[in-house]
Amino acid sequence: DSGVTQTPKHLITATGQRVTLRCSPRSGDLSVYWYQQSLDQGLQFLIQYYNGEERAKGNILERFSAQQFPDLHSELNLSSLELGDSALYFCASSDPGQSYNEQFFGPGTRLTVL
Amino acid sequence: AQSVTQPDIHITVSEGASLELRCNYSYGATPYLFWYVQSPGQGLQLLLKYFSGDTLVQGIKGFEAEFKRSQSSFNLRKPSVHWSDAAEYFCAVALKAAGNKLTFGGGTRVLVKP
Repeated sequence: DSGVTQTPKHLITATGQRVTLRCSPRSGDLSVYWYQQSLDQGLQFLIQYYNGEERAKGNILERFSAQQFPDLHSELNLSSLELGDSALYFCASSDPGQSYNEQFFGPGTRLTVL
Repeated sequence: AQSVTQPDIHITVSEGASLELRCNYSYGATPYLFWYVQSPGQGLQLLLKYFSGDTLVQGIKGFEAEFKRSQSSFNLRKPSVHWSDAAEYFCAVALKAAGNKLTFGGGTRVLVKP
């Protein structure tokens, strides 16, 4: 158990819909990262937040957005869903006190768009 | 362009035999280097990491990896594989200058024969 929690574990929805994925980082971790794992794209970095502020952006679609709240949990919002958005979405957190970057991953949310 | 390559998509190994998984990276500077394992239906677990110093790194579950700067490689090894090592293995790199986001290789799926 990494200490990172993600809900829900599974999500099945239809094209055009909007969903919200939730992540709670390890206690004390200020950084949250979101990654997408799909069959065709592999594991890709989406976005990073640090203490409520967006820190880095990767291959995140404009239909996707994220935020980190004062209690440090984060949400990834996916809208106007397409079949190709079906994937496993991981959240990871890291300790800002470290000079290097060791990220601890949650169990993921499996999104299926029908 | 910066990239991480795992040349082997699948590897089949007999239980008790040795295992070596290859990873090459293409970056201007030496990045932080990681190996993660993903068991079926599970999240990502960190096996080991390299930041600096001794180029032979010991990790969990009996794994080790060797950093070779001249070859831009970070290969993962295990002397004797157990059936429970069947999983997908991901090499990943991070650059502090790039916000420490992880860039993953395509993964190597390991099958263990009895």
